[in-house]
Amino acid sequence: GQNIDQPTEMTATEGAIVQINCTYQTSGFNGLFWYQQHAGEAPTFLSYNVLDGLEEKGRFSSFLSRSKGYSYLLLKELQMKDSASYLCAVMDSNYQLIWGAGTKLIIKP
Amino acid sequence: GAVVSQHPSWVICKSGTSVKIECRSLDFQATTMFWYRQFPKQSLMLMATSNEGSKATYEQGVEKDKFLINHASLTLSTLTVTSAHPEDSSFYICSATDGASGDTGELFFGEGSRLTVL
Repeated sequence: GQNIDQPTEMTATEGAIVQINCTYQTSGFNGLFWYQQHAGEAPTFLSYNVLDGLEEKGRFSSFLSRSKGYSYLLLKELQMKDSASYLCAVMDSNYQLIWGAGTKLIIKP
Repeated sequence: GAVVSQHPSWVICKSGTSVKIECRSLDFQATTMFWYRQFPKQSLMLMATSNEGSKATYEQGVEKDKFLINHASLTLSTLTVTSAHPEDSSFYICSATDGASGDTGELFFGEGSRLTVL
């Protein structure tokens, strides 16, 4: 079966760095996505990785290792507004998005 | 970026009634729209993929006759929950791709519609 694993919840301090991991087992691979979702709101796109390596976008970076079926989202200089759920999703060989359950990130002052 | 508008944001209805949720792409043509359902503290679950001018493709376990999807134009898709029951209470979200994103798969999400069935 297809499976996306990510931690249920993480806590970090304002100003710090946090890494949210995602491992996946899917039927084929056509890219991995990270979305941010604030409570009660729709998800917003953060990043897309299809090749191995690190993609940096401001305070957020996303890393992919296809051989390991592994990705992480790195958030630097954490702000209170970063408190949200972070969803990892993989596009399989049928171009269907398989969603992880999300990681709830709690930022403390 | 592209904007997707979803309406209504909140809806409360009585059991047995039908509810229609609209999803509009405001500044682009969306050949494909997706409908999701999200229960509290759970991930998005894809219900169906809607292509303009053709029948929607439903995911396994989603009742076609209960969740009617219409994608009559390149900017509008509707989801109708027919004969709603309390277990249908959920957060329904639509998303669309503008095609220009190609394989980057960037999806533009509507604001979501929270349905409560009494």
